[in-house]
Amino acid sequence: DIQMTQSPSSLSASVGDSVTITCRAGQSIPYNLNWYQQKPGKAPKLLIYAVSSLQSGVPSRFSGSGSGTDFTLTISSLQPEDFATYYCQQTYNIPWTFGQGTKVEIK
Amino acid sequence: QVQLVQSGAEVKRPGASVKVSCKASGYTFTDYYIHWVRQAPGQGLEWMGIINPSGGGTSHTQKFQGRVTLTRDTSTNTVYMELTSLRSEDTAVYYCTRADAVPSSRAEYFQHWGQGTLVTVSS
Repeated sequence: DIQMTQSPSSLSASVGDSVTITCRAGQSIPYNLNWYQQKPGKAPKLLIYAVSSLQSGVPSRFSGSGSGTDFTLTISSLQPEDFATYYCQQTYNIPWTFGQGTKVEIK
Repeated sequence: QVQLVQSGAEVKRPGASVKVSCKASGYTFTDYYIHWVRQAPGQGLEWMGIINPSGGGTSHTQKFQGRVTLTRDTSTNTVYMELTSLRSEDTAVYYCTRADAVPSSRAEYFQHWGQGTLVTVSS
């Protein structure tokens, strides 16, 4: 199984801050990396697919980058509705594993 | 629009089985694989398995070997996830989700999700 390691596990930030979350894969996963946002009691929501493609309807302050084993999700100007938990996911090999999550909290 | 509607919450005793349904609508049922993902309380997302609604072929993570069965009914556009020999650690929200892909590539992702089904295992 491909292990996905996110960092940090949690962070505190203020509205307007720029935030970066990293995700490292246990092996190269070319472009098979997605990011999801999850709020309490809700299903995950797709933000970014194939490393850097913004899902339709997702604000442009979200962006993804990376290659090989190292990837990042950046939120350029944090908004109140962005406080949530974020997960990376690889879809290169079954099982399609997720990172452990990064909780973004209000400072 | 694409919808995945899951069955309601369940409470089961340890050792029992549970069968969760996921009814698809708004697209051609046999064109997209369905995956199952679960989330224990306060924990992260855990991929469980996949079913091809067209041929019925399945795969699941080794962790659930012998305990999970994925099936589908093409007459009702419904997929099912049955988990047997339940234990307290199986208490979780179970999601079905549809795998989409970037055309002409292997880049796949979960755009559409069911609302989740809470399964509580307690004596």
